[in-house]
Amino acid sequence: EVQLVESGGGLVRPGESMRLSCVTSGLIVSKSYINWVRQAPGKGLEWVSVIYDDGRIHYADSVKGRFTISRDKSKNMVHLQMNSLRGEDTAIYYCARGNNRALEYWGQGTLVTVSP
Amino acid sequence: DIQMTQFPSSVSASVGDRVTITCRASQDISRWLAWYQQKPGEAPKLLIYASSTLESGVQSRFSGSGSGTDFTLTISNLQPEDFATYYCQQGNDFPRFTFGPGTKVDVK
Repeated sequence: EVQLVESGGGLVRPGESMRLSCVTSGLIVSKSYINWVRQAPGKGLEWVSVIYDDGRIHYADSVKGRFTISRDKSKNMVHLQMNSLRGEDTAIYYCARGNNRALEYWGQGTLVTVSP
Repeated sequence: DIQMTQFPSSVSASVGDRVTITCRASQDISRWLAWYQQKPGEAPKLLIYASSTLESGVQSRFSGSGSGTDFTLTISNLQPEDFATYYCQQGNDFPRFTFGPGTKVDVK
């Protein structure tokens, strides 16, 4: 059974940093496309970043230069380092495995709140 | 960037009804369109990918169609557990997925 579990969310002030983690089981991160998708409270879904099986990385324009995705193959985990956080980054952050140009498995999400 | 629109934004329906949701892309996305169901407090769940392919384990009352810019999700014989918000997502501009704004299906 494939499972993804996010952690690391919480309350942070504008300009500060936070690191999210996505622990996986039932899949191998180095052979998967792992994405981060976020959802602001009461709003829709926004794709944030992806790390490919071959290590290539992409970001949404809204986070480029501030967020960094990485993976730890030994722990089968993916991380999202978020710097210079803004109020508009407040959201539930989900990690999800990509396949067939869709997101087939999702974690339960972790809430990030950016507020003074 | 490819923009996605959905309509209606909400629909009220009864158990047993047939519900159709439309998704439109701002440019040709071939068949790279996925549909998700999201219930309050839960993560989205993949229902359909590549426009019409049902994800494993998803009930056959869900179906998808379309290509190019216009797509539809149909829920036949609506069940109580189907009241939720549905999102479309384009996968043509891979990996930069974009989602529609969502359609809420609620009880009439």
